[in-house]
Amino acid sequence: GQSLEQPSEVTAVEGAIVQINCTYQTSGFYGLSWYQQHDGGAPTFLSYNALDGLEETGRFSSFLSRSDSYGYLLLQELQMKDSASYFCAVTGGSYIPTFGRGTSLIVHP
Amino acid sequence: DAGITQSPRHKVTETGTPVTLRCHQTENHRYMYWYRQDPGHGLRLIHYSYGVKDTDKGEVSDGYSVSRSKTEDFLLTLESATSSQTSVYFCAISEGAGGSYNEQFFGPGTRLTVL
Repeated sequence: GQSLEQPSEVTAVEGAIVQINCTYQTSGFYGLSWYQQHDGGAPTFLSYNALDGLEETGRFSSFLSRSDSYGYLLLQELQMKDSASYFCAVTGGSYIPTFGRGTSLIVHP
Repeated sequence: DAGITQSPRHKVTETGTPVTLRCHQTENHRYMYWYRQDPGHGLRLIHYSYGVKDTDKGEVSDGYSVSRSKTEDFLLTLESATSSQTSVYFCAISEGAGGSYNEQFFGPGTRLTVL
């Protein structure tokens, strides 16, 4: 089976940098994804890492270490609109992603 | 935005009644998924489909059935709704499975309340 651990809540101030960690266990590994979900909305895709290292997309970056079964999402220059829930999802041998329980990011002015 | 809709968007029903939720896509994606989202549990997979008439169970499939008779439609049925099935249900689609084709696009969700 597959399981993931991520913090339930993270708080930060506007303009700061925040890192949301995700550790996973899986049989076989194909990739780690990140999704954002605002209150009352649908999850939207942010990034996908299949290989070790950092992937950058604007203010958001995602990192993967397959040897440590670990990844993180890095958000820079935080804005109020970044307040949302962030989910990591691991794709293992079944090719179907399993989602973590989500991290609620609260950005304060 | 990916063309994916869900109907109804909100539904209130009584325990023991059957309920069917519909997911419709216009992207011709092969994979379709049904998730439920509950506080503290994130997104949990109910069932998924990898083609017309091809479906498989997810981690929380008990009490749910699905059907996919056309590429564009994926139905989720609660044969006899229970209060524990009160939740927000999301449909998602993806071009394929594994690799970057695994990127999922989500519908707007259906809020179901079982009294």
